[in-house]
Amino acid sequence: EPEVTQTPSHQVTQMGQEVILRCVPISNHLYFYWYRQILGQKVEFLVSFYNNEISEKSEIFDDQFSVERPDGSNFTLKIRSTKLEDSAMYFCASSLGGTGRLSGGYTFGSGTRLTVV
Amino acid sequence: DQQVKQNSPSLSVQEGRISILNCDYTNSMFDYFLWYKKYPAEGPTFLISISSIKDKNEDGRFTVFLNKSAKHLSLHIVPSQPGDSAVYFCAASAQIGSTGANNLFFGTGTRLTVIP
Repeated sequence: EPEVTQTPSHQVTQMGQEVILRCVPISNHLYFYWYRQILGQKVEFLVSFYNNEISEKSEIFDDQFSVERPDGSNFTLKIRSTKLEDSAMYFCASSLGGTGRLSGGYTFGSGTRLTVV
Repeated sequence: DQQVKQNSPSLSVQEGRISILNCDYTNSMFDYFLWYKKYPAEGPTFLISISSIKDKNEDGRFTVFLNKSAKHLSLHIVPSQPGDSAVYFCAASAQIGSTGANNLFFGTGTRLTVIP
């Protein structure tokens, strides 16, 4: 079964450093997403991406965050200057249809645990 | 802003019995609802969904019920199996934006434990 792949599985970084989280979505999917889950809290939407541009972003997704699809397969999330409160599990997801309705929902990767120290 | 709420953080059920997980929402614009299952160290896995034009959707042992007037949905698992033990997230979406890509609003999850 096709899956969304995320690397690394765990990233430790010092406060103020830049991090890049990588994702390989399912190959024929057109919509890409980043979500995050702070420990013990709900999964929160960060950003959606379609046709090489951001479709929608939440208030969490401020100027410190950026996304890119540098080639035909990767989808990255960059945090320019990490803060302690950025520590969370970051999930990449992709879907064939925009809302996931046609595909029965998004397919999530297994996540990257980001720890900012 | 808790637009999607799962008020029960945990639920324990005996194997073979019915598990009922509940979810409430506040945004009347939501028109599509999903349940995800999550194991530790894995991403959420899609389980079942329902459109707001329906009040019930069934898939094997899983049934989702939607009560739009009460802004309430529930997931029934019957019979429950030990392998069902996981965290279950309710999620909702609304059709907004021109591209069709829109986000999911998740609840905080309910940890289901099925006791053998």
